[in-house]
Amino acid sequence: DIQMTQSPSSLSASVGDRVTITCRASQDISNFLAWYQQKPGKAPKLLIYATSTLQSGAPSRFSGRGSGTQFTLTISSLQPEDVATYSCQKYNRAPWTFGLGTKVEIK
Amino acid sequence: QVQLQESGPGLLQPSETLSLTCSVSNGSISSYYWSWIRQPPGKGLEWIGDIYYSGSTNYNPSLKSRVAISVDSSKRQFSLKLSSVTAADTAVYFCARGAYYDIMTGNLYQYGLDVWGQGTTVSVSS
Repeated sequence: DIQMTQSPSSLSASVGDRVTITCRASQDISNFLAWYQQKPGKAPKLLIYATSTLQSGAPSRFSGRGSGTQFTLTISSLQPEDVATYSCQKYNRAPWTFGLGTKVEIK
Repeated sequence: QVQLQESGPGLLQPSETLSLTCSVSNGSISSYYWSWIRQPPGKGLEWIGDIYYSGSTNYNPSLKSRVAISVDSSKRQFSLKLSSVTAADTAVYFCARGAYYDIMTGNLYQYGLDVWGQGTTVSVSS
């Protein structure tokens, strides 16, 4: 099965900072990569699908790039409401696999 | 706006069978794949499996021997059964909507899991 490796596992940044999270697939998954935001005690929320397509309602400060095995999620200007755990997921074929998540905090 | 709601017992004893149901409201169950995902305390998300509204299934190989997912389209519900549970199955269980399959064109539209239930906590303890 394809493994998804996220880095870093956690980060702390200041409001307004540019933040980048990386997700690496153990095999080529084309662009079948999604990003989710999960706040404590809540269900995950789809942010980006197909590597770079912003889900309806997601703020434009979120963006995604990549293809094949290397992907990134960028928050262009970190806001207090972005405090959450972000997880990548591959969905080219079953089984769908998630990364372990990156916890984002405000410094 | 489609909404999902999980229901089922919150406490199980080891070796029992976990049974959860996800109810779909404000939308159709047809033409979509429906998933179960779980998250152990303090850990990441694990996809359990999914089902197409017609009944075809996919399972995570790590759980396949213990999992069964079924659908009742007339009730707009799909269900999860996980047998022989242990403490390692303690988790928040989520249901979610996945890909859309247009049976007329044969096209599969994939965009991750776009609608999630709020999750239900299942604890396994003697």
